[in-house]
Amino acid sequence: AQSVTQLDSQVPVFEEAPVELRCNYSSSVSVYLFWYVQYPNQGLQLLLKYLSGSTLVKGINGFEAEFNKSQTSFHLRKPSVHISDTAEYFCAGMDSSYKLIFGSGTRLLVRP
Amino acid sequence: DTEVTQTPKHLVMGMTNKKSLKCEQHMGHRAMYWYKQKAKKPPELMFVYSYEKLSINESVPSRFSPECPNSSLLNLHLHALQPEDSALYLCASSQGEAGALRDEQFFGPGTRLTVL
Repeated sequence: AQSVTQLDSQVPVFEEAPVELRCNYSSSVSVYLFWYVQYPNQGLQLLLKYLSGSTLVKGINGFEAEFNKSQTSFHLRKPSVHISDTAEYFCAGMDSSYKLIFGSGTRLLVRP
Repeated sequence: DTEVTQTPKHLVMGMTNKKSLKCEQHMGHRAMYWYKQKAKKPPELMFVYSYEKLSINESVPSRFSPECPNSSLLNLHLHALQPEDSALYLCASSQGEAGALRDEQFFGPGTRLTVL
């Protein structure tokens, strides 16, 4: 089955600490991969994308992700989080019809 | 203009009402999408329009009727909805050049729908 897996439903972290949000994709999902963020009562905003090229992708708001083909992973990282980073984060890949397949989401909770 | 706008922000309707959701983009995108998002869940694709033609219908009940009057506008007509249809309805668009859908999708803020 084509799938994107986010193992952590919630990640609590203290402000200014580093964070990693994990995402694994099935081999049948294409390697067009995305991370979106959703703030409360808002739509989704693209953080970053991997289509090809360098495996380290830099996005907005200081986030970056590393595409790892051998581990079928696309983990999202930030070296120092802020309270304002509290949100829901969705990893997504594209299937063979270029439909977005979303992971179940990870809630990042940043505490002061 | 890099925005997708959606109106209304909130909508409350009865099961016998007819209402419409509206989505607009002025980025010259040729692909537009409707998603449904239940609380604490990821968005689920409903419909895809490419060059103003319906290209994907994810087996959505006929009480949801999409319409794409022109390349900038996407509507979702609602009729005889059920309480379980209450959700956040998100519109998105992507470049969609030559019918390709592999580009990033830009999402609107959504319409929060409550069916009583």
